[in-house]
Amino acid sequence: EAQVTQNPRYLITVTGKKLTVTCSQNMNHEYMSWYRQDPGLGLRQIYYSMNVEVTDKGDVPEGYKVSRKEKRNFPLILESPSPNQTSLYFCASIPKGGVSSYEQYFGPGTRLTVT
Amino acid sequence: GQQVMQIPQYQHVQEGEDFTTYCNSSTTLSNIQWYKQRPGGHPVFLIQLVKSGEVKKQKRLTFQFGEAKKNSSLHITATQTTDVGTYFCAGRDTGRRALTFGSGTRLQVQP
Repeated sequence: EAQVTQNPRYLITVTGKKLTVTCSQNMNHEYMSWYRQDPGLGLRQIYYSMNVEVTDKGDVPEGYKVSRKEKRNFPLILESPSPNQTSLYFCASIPKGGVSSYEQYFGPGTRLTVT
Repeated sequence: GQQVMQIPQYQHVQEGEDFTTYCNSSTTLSNIQWYKQRPGGHPVFLIQLVKSGEVKKQKRLTFQFGEAKKNSSLHITATQTTDVGTYFCAGRDTGRRALTFGSGTRLQVQP
């Protein structure tokens, strides 16, 4: 089944403890992206990747890192999480680097709480 | 930076009534997409509009892209309880790669 998977789905952690949220897609998509969703703010793009080893900042990249060593995986790294990073995170992928033409497939989301 | 405003934030309708959500960008868009997110779910792509003045229909849903490519609307005719969810528009500024989402319109349909 074609899908985008995220792990973990739920995570409660403490301030400063490094964490990684994994994202994987089995559709051979070139473009992948991370968003955070907060009440009243919609989805805001954190980072995106047009292809392997190509990443770029979205609108809210501060406090996050990403890597794209293989096509299928795009992990989101929080080196030192803070409470303002408590949010619902979505990973998404698109078939081609020409983002203007293709729909995004979203993962199920990861609900992160930083205390 | 680019801003995408969406109104209303929330709408409660009786089943069978129509519903419209509006999306306005501070800058000209190269394209606009619409998504639906059911409660507890993830956003699901509905459609993309690219051309100035474009109108597309999907059954009871009608999507429009403004002539100036700075605004868009989604209209649902005769709402059903299955239409419940939050509808987001998402636009890409010409010359930018990142996609900017509106804050969404949450639709509640009373049976």
